[in-house]
Amino acid sequence: NAGVTQTPKFRILKIGQSMTLQCTQDMNHNYMYWYRQDPGMGLKLIYYSVGAGITDKGEVPNGYNVSRSTTEDFPLRLELAAPSQTSVYFCASSSGTVHEQYFGPGTRLTVT
Amino acid sequence: GDSVTQMEGPVTLSEEAFLTINCTYTATGYPSLFWYVQYPGEGLQLLLKATKADDKGSNKGFEATYRKETTSFHLEKGSVQVSDSAVYFCALRFPMNRDDKIIFGKGTRLHILP
Repeated sequence: NAGVTQTPKFRILKIGQSMTLQCTQDMNHNYMYWYRQDPGMGLKLIYYSVGAGITDKGEVPNGYNVSRSTTEDFPLRLELAAPSQTSVYFCASSSGTVHEQYFGPGTRLTVT
Repeated sequence: GDSVTQMEGPVTLSEEAFLTINCTYTATGYPSLFWYVQYPGEGLQLLLKATKADDKGSNKGFEATYRKETTSFHLEKGSVQVSDSAVYFCALRFPMNRDDKIIFGKGTRLHILP
């Protein structure tokens, strides 16, 4: 049981490049989330999904896009990367009944 | 709006010292309360939770009691170890929250010296 997995673990992007952060969970959870964690700061919600085909914006959605075509996968797309997107990105999932969120190990992204 | 406030870190203690990390919340209803822990280089993981007033959550020697009268959920441990060095997040969730979102505090970094 792998839980929540994220790839890649680390990435360096040049300004203006694009990339997709992958997130997969094998717990059959309906709810999935993307957060960013800036140095010394807490978590900010970027996007979330309550089920396949349904996504919604969180606190800081600008510069990002998501899709949820399956229950398992919730990729996060960065278009036209900017230095302000340098952060650690966490994906999480929950069942919606127990209410605990399970987190992946994170992707450390640097935009230069 | 609803929010969580926790003491700023870093907190530095010697091994076997008593730990308290303060957490208070602002909410219009009766949320469930959580403490999450983030060890270096890892994602967050649930440490303990409480779902109603006067409930005590406990795990790995850590405890926190849901105090509705003071809107607090302070984290305590009687004797900390070096392995407890991590960032601790207080968080809340509303029972009728349809999208299961959690509001996190900013985190408190804890350093335990041997």
